[in-house]
Amino acid sequence: QKEVEQDPGPLSVPEGAIVSLNCTYSNSAFQYFMWYRQYSRKGPELLMYTYSSGNKEDGRFTAQVDKSSKYISLFIRDSQPSDSATYLCAMSAGNNDMRFGAGTRLTVKP
Amino acid sequence: EPEVTQTPSHQVTQMGQEVILRCVPISNHLYFYWYRQILGQKVEFLVSFYNNEISEKSEIFDDQFSVERPDGSNFTLKIRSTKLEDSAMYFCASSWTGTNTEAFFGQGTRLTVV
Repeated sequence: QKEVEQDPGPLSVPEGAIVSLNCTYSNSAFQYFMWYRQYSRKGPELLMYTYSSGNKEDGRFTAQVDKSSKYISLFIRDSQPSDSATYLCAMSAGNNDMRFGAGTRLTVKP
Repeated sequence: EPEVTQTPSHQVTQMGQEVILRCVPISNHLYFYWYRQILGQKVEFLVSFYNNEISEKSEIFDDQFSVERPDGSNFTLKIRSTKLEDSAMYFCASSWTGTNTEAFFGQGTRLTVV
């Protein structure tokens, strides 16, 4: 089983749709969970991070962590064409060795 | 808005040559990192650096790699004798905290070894 699994997509949705992006993981030591957005030929841009289980909301973005299921999600409400990018989940056990998912390529069509 | 800057944006080098990738982290950050992303693969952690020494490194970061903060602003990654498999995008990142939870990434340097 891979340490961090993320469906690479591609995922295509119409503008205004709710987008759900997910990752599963196997290492129960992970406590910090991050979501990054990466535009083509750019570096990853931090969207949100969550410590342990629970929800966190920031504008149109909501991150959820379910440690019992080893499952994390990112929801994007009212998706916009400018949200089109690759979304990377990442996680760490509190050390610096952050483990990334493969990334999900999202396209939001006008 | 403060940002991490990396130079060059693209470096082509011959196998066996030494390369130095340069980064200017965000000025008040204390923790610095290098990651790499081989084309089509995941972003991978290489090394973290704090207080002028390596704080953590992955199994990828072997003896051919070294990092340095030669002055108060630059942070460099040196690859001593490049191999074809070193071809990748190399990202520098910096953070204020040591848990890497709010790391800001640079645009990356694409290294091509021929």
